[in-house]
Amino acid sequence: DGGITQSPKYLFRKEGQNVTLSCEQNLNHDAMYWYRQDPGQGLRLIYYSQIVNDFQKGDIAEGYSVSREKKESFPLTVTSAQKNPTAFYLCASSLQGHPQPQHFGDGTRLSIL
Amino acid sequence: GNSVTQMEGPVTLSEEAFLTINCTYTATGYPSLFWYVQYPGEGLQLLLKATKADDKGSNKGFEATYRKETTSFHLEKGSVQVSDSAVYFCALTPMNYGGSQGNLIFGKGTKLSVKP
Repeated sequence: DGGITQSPKYLFRKEGQNVTLSCEQNLNHDAMYWYRQDPGQGLRLIYYSQIVNDFQKGDIAEGYSVSREKKESFPLTVTSAQKNPTAFYLCASSLQGHPQPQHFGDGTRLSIL
Repeated sequence: GNSVTQMEGPVTLSEEAFLTINCTYTATGYPSLFWYVQYPGEGLQLLLKATKADDKGSNKGFEATYRKETTSFHLEKGSVQVSDSAVYFCALTPMNYGGSQGNLIFGKGTKLSVKP
């Protein structure tokens, strides 16, 4: 079955540590997105990528980094510069064009030790 | 700028009650509108969408009509079930996003609890 796989489901970070969240899709989608979800808040866009080897900052990119070396993969690194990283992180993908609905993974919950 | 405003929850209903979750938006151009649903511990699933004024999106008994004159996209269901308990998000994709950005702008979500 086609879909988006995020791993791990739960992740713990120590102070000063970088951590990487995995996102893989086998839907043959060109565009991929990372969102952050905080309790009682909507989703906020961190980074997005429309094509391999290209990505753009979203609304809250500070303290995060991404890469897009393969069409299927869009990993997100939460760096030590992100002072409040505890949140639920959601990866999504879509076809190009407008409007295309986004398909979401099941998310990764990141907590600080 | 672009934004989405939803009614605050939580909303608690009895089974078979009528559901309305209000959603209004501010956007330049002609956005596409979506409702997503999130079950506990999971990602978001597309519930329905509408791409132009007066379109009605529908799925699993839920409906929403794109009202340009009132900039609204209210979600309705005639008879809710316990299994509908979830968080519902209204979202838009701006039409004039200049280069197929395609990202979604979300409301804060409305938690629905349906009691037997």
